[in-house]
Amino acid sequence: SQQGEEDPQALSIQEGENATMNCSYKTSINNLQWYRQNSGRGLVHLILIRSNEREKHSGRLRVTLDTSKKSSSLLITASRAADTASYFCATEGTGGFKTIFGAGTRLFVKA
Amino acid sequence: GAVVSQHPSRVICKSGTSVKIECRSLDFQATTMFWYRQFPKQSLMLMATSNEGSKATYEQGVEKDKFLINHASLTLSTLTVTSAHPEDSSFYICSASSRGGTEAFFGQGTRLTVV
Repeated sequence: SQQGEEDPQALSIQEGENATMNCSYKTSINNLQWYRQNSGRGLVHLILIRSNEREKHSGRLRVTLDTSKKSSSLLITASRAADTASYFCATEGTGGFKTIFGAGTRLFVKA
Repeated sequence: GAVVSQHPSRVICKSGTSVKIECRSLDFQATTMFWYRQFPKQSLMLMATSNEGSKATYEQGVEKDKFLINHASLTLSTLTVTSAHPEDSSFYICSASSRGGTEAFFGQGTRLTVV
């Protein structure tokens, strides 16, 4: 399969709690990106982390990358109901700009 | 970030007809464009990669005669779904990157419904 693996597939939390999603991939990468998608709409780019970076922050988002384990995690702190969406990791391989998406995590934040 | 416009956002067509979806880079030259398909509650699956002025490279299992891709200019790529059938109903998304660029930028997607 061209896809990476993400876990959990679905996550339900209370507003204010933190949400952690994990992504594993198979090949060497130039970078890894996280996207959000609301109800089958377009993608919203959240954050990009390059292969030589280990951690990156953007507002309530924290992304880590472990290239030795070929894995990444996305942490959303102090979640809000508006964070309810599907979250995908996507990797750009070293062979070109082809971006391959993980299976995604559906996050539901209860108010 | 750079802007990629995709049109139409929604289209309904009759079975057997063809539908064309456009993907335009508005403020940069897109030397490479990618087309993805997404079925409900699933992830995005890469269909093909197109480089300006050359034939598209299709992923395994994607019928090139059914999904015609044209990337005739540095700002426009089109995906034509030929002889569409209900099973082709899906969300189609394009992305574009420039020569030397390090990111691909996504369009807002096209929801195709074949009735």
